[in-house]
Amino acid sequence: KNEVEQSPQNLTAQEGEFITINCSYSVGISALHWLQQHPGGGIVSLFMLSSGKKKHGRLIATINIQEKHSSLHITASHPRDSAVYICAVRGGSEKLVFGKGMKLTVNP
Amino acid sequence: EPEVTQTPSHQVTQMGQEVILRCVPISNHLYFYWYRQILGQKVEFLVSFYNNEISEKSEIFDDQFSVERPDGSNFTLKIRSTKLEDSAMYFCASSELNREADEQYFGPGTRLTVT
Repeated sequence: KNEVEQSPQNLTAQEGEFITINCSYSVGISALHWLQQHPGGGIVSLFMLSSGKKKHGRLIATINIQEKHSSLHITASHPRDSAVYICAVRGGSEKLVFGKGMKLTVNP
Repeated sequence: EPEVTQTPSHQVTQMGQEVILRCVPISNHLYFYWYRQILGQKVEFLVSFYNNEISEKSEIFDDQFSVERPDGSNFTLKIRSTKLEDSAMYFCASSELNREADEQYFGPGTRLTVT
């Protein structure tokens, strides 16, 4: 059974700061997802990674398969980035296993 | 851009009543999923569905739950006799195929409140 841990659990930042959110998992996977959940509850997929690095706008996601670790970076953070960021993994099965999420608050 | 839709956005029901949550997956997708998130907790997998049958289910998905694709577009989750602990946000997702590198697209969720 895969355990997905995220750190930190909560983060408050000032607008413009560079933010890093970490995710580690216990068992080898085939893909890792970064998801964003806004206060209304809806979930939006940000990235799906199986190796290396992906970039979309101000967001960068990296994964180290050997270390079983992924990071999500937000450059030049903005108050609209305030949300819960969730890491979820998939391996050997159809289901996604989710972390608890990290609540990010970006103050103006 | 195509998206997964869910109805209703919020459902309030009394304990013991049956509820049906509805989802319309993205039209060319073949794999469908239900997840739930109890307030303050992790999102949890309930069930996956392909070719008109369940392909995987979790221990949460007991006999009180069932899924169906009654027509070419809807995918439903039925809870036969709701319990207080069924109160949660329920998310539907779909993916084009089931290769492990395929992305799952989530709907906006249905908030179920059992009183």
